Amino acid sequence: DAGVIQSPRHEVTEMGQEVTLRCKPISGHNSLFWYRQTMMRGLELLIYFNNNVPIDDSGMPEDRFSAKMPNASFSTLKIQPSEPRDSAVYFCASSFAQKNQPQHFGDGTRLSIL
Amino acid sequence: AQSVTQPDIHITVSEGASLELRCNYSYGATPYLFWYVQSPGQGLQLLLKYFSGDTLVQGIKGFEAEFKRSQSSFNLRKPSVHWSDAAEYFCAVVFGGATNKLIFGTGTLLAVQP
Repeated sequence: DAGVIQSPRHEVTEMGQEVTLRCKPISGHNSLFWYRQTMMRGLELLIYFNNNVPIDDSGMPEDRFSAKMPNASFSTLKIQPSEPRDSAVYFCASSFAQKNQPQHFGDGTRLSIL
Repeated sequence: AQSVTQPDIHITVSEGASLELRCNYSYGATPYLFWYVQSPGQGLQLLLKYFSGDTLVQGIKGFEAEFKRSQSSFNLRKPSVHWSDAAEYFCAVVFGGATNKLIFGTGTLLAVQP
């Protein structure tokens, strides 16, 4: 029973480069969430989708960040250009789109921007 | 404003001792309540959830939580802690309205002494 799959697990790149994080949600789930976790700010919701449509992107830090969900089984979070302050662990989670349904998290992508 | 508070940032207990982690929320009605655990380098794993019915809920790994409406609390408990329980614990809430967005507390880091 596959869980939420994120890739890559680790990414190290130089500032200014484009970074693309990928997520495959659990089959059948129709909500997808992108989070960022840092020591300073804790766990922050960046954006979430219901039925592939972005519902709330108020957590996206700035225009350098963008997220897409072209179909029910794939989503990307892109940072362009990347900056050292973007270094964090990025989590993807999926769930059924009801309030009582728990979110299932991937193992995260640890991103380091040099 | 709707909020989730975990007042204890860090807790240390001895192996075999009992554990209680606190969670309070600010909301006029009963929200949907969740506890998650995060081990180092891992994503978040659901321990248990509550949204109606019996106010004492059982979860995985021997954890339980009790919802107390009068105190706006949903504290997590375990009668006897094991060394493998050392991790970070997050209380999370879905409030009312159309959203199924989770609001996370800041987390409690649990250390277990031998």
